[in-house]
Amino acid sequence: AQSVTQLGSHVSVSEGALVLLRCNYSSSVPPYLFWYVQYPNQGLQLLLKYTTGATLVKGINGFEAEFKKSETSFHLTKPSAHMSDAAEYFCAVRDPPDTGRRALTFGSGTRLQVQP
Amino acid sequence: NAGVTQTPKFRVLKTGQSMTLLCAQDMNHEYMYWYRQDPGMGLRLIHYSVGEGTTAKGEVPDGYNVSRLKKQNFLLGLESAAPSQTSVYFCASSEGGNTEAFFGQGTRLTVV
Repeated sequence: AQSVTQLGSHVSVSEGALVLLRCNYSSSVPPYLFWYVQYPNQGLQLLLKYTTGATLVKGINGFEAEFKKSETSFHLTKPSAHMSDAAEYFCAVRDPPDTGRRALTFGSGTRLQVQP
Repeated sequence: NAGVTQTPKFRVLKTGQSMTLLCAQDMNHEYMYWYRQDPGMGLRLIHYSVGEGTTAKGEVPDGYNVSRLKKQNFLLGLESAAPSQTSVYFCASSEGGNTEAFFGQGTRLTVV
């Protein structure tokens, strides 16, 4: 079974500081990995995804993530935090193709606070 | 282009009451999903559908039923609501393959 672990349920950074949100996955096959962001009282919005190819993936709002197979990690980073980045972030892994359902398994989420 | 639309957005139920949550997508996606979101637990898959007329159980299906009579709609039913079903429910749809899932705005359900 696939799983996702997000280290740190709450992360607080100062405005302008580096943002690092950690995600480790377990998968029996080469994974498809996703980061979603959820603003208060809203649905989930895709930040970025890794399927195949380049291991450094760039997303919206200046975020990027690097797929590291040897570390089974897909950490999310942003060089300089903005107040508008305050939200909850979810890492997810797609089901293997042979399961047929193509659903996402989510981590428990990391709430990012940005201090002025 | 509305994407994925969920109705209602909020609902309060008494224990034992029933209700249906409606999800509609206008992207012609084959795959549709219902998740529930609880604090500290991320999103967990309740039921899913890989096409019109098909449904299957996810990780937490107990107490819920679903139907996909039309490709664009995926209904989630609670026959006899329990306080443990207090949660935020999200519907999502996907083309499949390596594409992402698109999410609705959620339904906040409270069972008292």
